[in-house]
Amino acid sequence: SYELTQPPSVSVSPGQTASITCSGDKLGDKYACWYQQKPGQSPVLVIYEDNKRPSGSPERFSGSNSGNTATLTISGTQAMDEADYYCQAWDSSTGGVFGGGTKLTVL
Amino acid sequence: EVQLVQSGAEVKKPGESLRISCKGSGYSFTSYWITWVRQMPGKGLEWMGRIDPSDSYTNYSPSFQGHVTISADKSITTAYLQWSSLKASDTAMYYCATDSSSSHESHYWGQGTLVTVSS
Repeated sequence: SYELTQPPSVSVSPGQTASITCSGDKLGDKYACWYQQKPGQSPVLVIYEDNKRPSGSPERFSGSNSGNTATLTISGTQAMDEADYYCQAWDSSTGGVFGGGTKLTVL
Repeated sequence: EVQLVQSGAEVKKPGESLRISCKGSGYSFTSYWITWVRQMPGKGLEWMGRIDPSDSYTNYSPSFQGHVTISADKSITTAYLQWSSLKASDTAMYYCATDSSSSHESHYWGQGTLVTVSS
């Protein structure tokens, strides 16, 4: 079955750039998307189709996807960005696949 | 405004059956597939499966195939997730979400339904 791997945690200082990676076999050949989830809330889509922002997603969120790695980048990270982030891709045999999630700490 | 409103929290005993619901509004219900996602306590998101409300065609994750049933009634714009015999390990938050069907991201999510299975 297809698997996506994320680092369990990432730390960043306010105002700095945070990068969260998502690795999977030939992930660059698929579309990747990213969700933000804050405690007690439903996930929110922040990036889709590798690098597109849905309406309402701040401009400081961007994405890329090439080779085996997709990356979510948060520029000028704010305290409100502290959350869990999940990547997702579609595999023809497994269906939807989520990464294990990354806890972003802003300190 | 697109909305997915899920049914309320449930407390069940092992072996009992259960069906939870997800009602869509503010859009053409047959325009998006509906996906179900599990989140066990303190854990990550798991994709369970999805349904095309226009014809009730389903895809399941191999991990959930045979353990749950996804269905939909387009006449009342509602999708369902059901179990015939719950286990304690089914205790989790369950989310429904739309599926773009082309690139498969979920733009809209329900508020979640907490299912607790305990004797």
